Amino acid sequence: DAKTTQPPSMDCAEGRAANLPCNHSTISGNEYVYWYRQIHSQGPQYIIHGLKNNETNEMASLIITEDRKSSTLILPHATLRDTAVYYCIVRVAMGGAQKLVFGQGTRLTINP
Amino acid sequence: DAMVIQNPRYQVTQFGKPVTLSCSQTLNHNVMYWYQQKSSQAPKLLFHYYDKDFNNEADTPDNFQSRRPNTSFCFLDIRSPGLGDAAMYLCATSRDAFSYNEQFFGPGTRLTVL
Repeated sequence: DAKTTQPPSMDCAEGRAANLPCNHSTISGNEYVYWYRQIHSQGPQYIIHGLKNNETNEMASLIITEDRKSSTLILPHATLRDTAVYYCIVRVAMGGAQKLVFGQGTRLTINP
Repeated sequence: DAMVIQNPRYQVTQFGKPVTLSCSQTLNHNVMYWYQQKSSQAPKLLFHYYDKDFNNEADTPDNFQSRRPNTSFCFLDIRSPGLGDAAMYLCATSRDAFSYNEQFFGPGTRLTVL
């Protein structure tokens, strides 16, 4: 799986948009970009994923550059409950199952 | 609600005393995973089952074993826990092999080794 690079930490004011960048310059054509987050002392939670096109769901938006070498996760109106470690993962199905290789992630702190 | 359940949430064992962690799922997913997450580190995959087929990661120590007696349950056995095995152990499931299927994680079991 391609390696991802994320800033170790970010801060964002409550109510503002949080934009979390991720570099994945070695991504190949069949690899998806996934975002998970982990709130303190809980299991990781799926947020969103994409292959080429930008994606949006009830939690967030995912913007993937045209060359697919980087992406940005956008939390449009951050709340205190969005404080968590956010993981950007690039993966491809292997055999009969998926493998998620977590990097160190970005620790996002939402400030009141 | 369909979910991934891990019991117990906190487990204390002694150095060298075998311990078993449990995971159950009501999602009827084909794949079950075990991850190890040490303090301030990212989760690391230990192994997974696709149905009854066991798939071990190359760097998972032999001290770690797993059993999946049926679709709903999966166990993590640590035969002789060392101090370095203290960690959060996360169970996850996914429906099948396709790239777009998300993994659903349980709340984790925090293992302390005395």
